[in-house]
Amino acid sequence: QQQVKQSPQSLIVQKGGISIINCAYENTAFDYFPWYQQFPGKGPALLIAIRPDVSEKKEGRFTISFNKSAKQFSLHIMDSQPGDSATYFCAATGATDSWGKLQFGAGTQVVVTP
Amino acid sequence: KAGVTQTPRYLIKTRGQQVTLSCSPISGHRSVSWYQQTPGQGLQFLFEYFSETQRNKGNFPGRFSGRQFSNSRSEMNVSTLELGDSALYLCASRKTESYNEQFFGPGTRLTVL
Repeated sequence: QQQVKQSPQSLIVQKGGISIINCAYENTAFDYFPWYQQFPGKGPALLIAIRPDVSEKKEGRFTISFNKSAKQFSLHIMDSQPGDSATYFCAATGATDSWGKLQFGAGTQVVVTP
Repeated sequence: KAGVTQTPRYLIKTRGQQVTLSCSPISGHRSVSWYQQTPGQGLQFLFEYFSETQRNKGNFPGRFSGRQFSNSRSEMNVSTLELGDSALYLCASRKTESYNEQFFGPGTRLTVL
């Protein structure tokens, strides 16, 4: 049973547009929510992460929004660039289990058109 | 600082064989986790080691095993390979047990024929 549900499966956005990827979880013991970016032939790279004590975190063009009551979090990519074309994974983990055990969403393939 | 390194990068085996994959974490990192990535199942947690002890294990058969050495380097072994074991095997390292950021290596692409 997938503990983290991610949508959409893929999206196409024009250069300069906003990409939005959503994730939902059930396990209330999760307390760390990272996003990873993966290019073909490469391992996932940590992009940005959030803890449930904040509702939003921004790093450059990437923003995580977190809704604890709804058990949902999302990634916004502002001013999307062709170089952002990649697969994005949300993940979750909790200290009670182990922060070393990430539960991943299914991934979203993002294509940014010139 | 060098990142997580994995060897070999590519491997081709036949059914029934066994394979050993190696992972060297970022210098100073003591926790290593292993994941399997396939198009059908996505990224799935295999196991985690910290200070040479297995801390956590995912839902994989006993054919999948691992270990960690005193220098934090880790190996995973898959015995009696099946076609379905074809995947990208990823290793990730963390600094300590209380540190939550995981950094991934490039992976080992295993193909089972």
